[in-house]
Amino acid sequence: NAGVTQTPKFHILKIGQSMTLQCTQDMNHNYMYWYRQDPGMGLKLIYYSVGAGITDKGEVPNGYNVSRSTTEDFPLRLELAAPSQTSVYFCASSLSGGGTQYFGPGTRLTVL
Amino acid sequence: AQKITQTQPGMFVQEKEAVTLDCTYDTSDQSYGLFWYKQPSSGEMIFLIYQGSYDEQNATEGRYSLNFQKARKSANLVISASQLGDSAMYFCAMRLAGLNTNAGKSTFGDGTTLTVKP
Repeated sequence: NAGVTQTPKFHILKIGQSMTLQCTQDMNHNYMYWYRQDPGMGLKLIYYSVGAGITDKGEVPNGYNVSRSTTEDFPLRLELAAPSQTSVYFCASSLSGGGTQYFGPGTRLTVL
Repeated sequence: AQKITQTQPGMFVQEKEAVTLDCTYDTSDQSYGLFWYKQPSSGEMIFLIYQGSYDEQNATEGRYSLNFQKARKSANLVISASQLGDSAMYFCAMRLAGLNTNAGKSTFGDGTTLTVKP
């Protein structure tokens, strides 16, 4: 079991560019999540999904999009990147809504 | 809306002593889970302990225990016999559960930095 994997680990993006952060889990978990963590702060929920084909907004969804076409994958799309999106992005999964979350290693994104 | 409050930005503890990290939460939902995570300087998120809102007994996992007081809406983490490797950021989190239409929606506190002194 690889658990939750994220790619890339690091990336520098120019203002206005777009990119997709990849997240894959091999635990057959129904729930998947995207968070961002700004320096010295806690995690803020961007989007989450309760199963394939179903996604919902979290606390800070503006500037992001997600899709969930399979159980395993939950990519996060940044359109028209802005410096305010410089952050560490974590993907996570859980079997149920209240169950233990397993986190990926994170993607450190810088927008210049 | 859910809210998690961690009032201690930083805490110090002597090696081998016990320490309590505070967490209070606010929600109008009845079914939820409370979690504690450790984030060392390397950045990964490490799950420590879980307490369900309907669990009557406090959760324990090795040196970690969760002091759950539902009426006060508090979920403090107790680390016994602190070790130097416990120095890290600790986050309290809540996630809605059960048949709630918002099941899965989660909220994190801003964290407490714990430093263990030799």
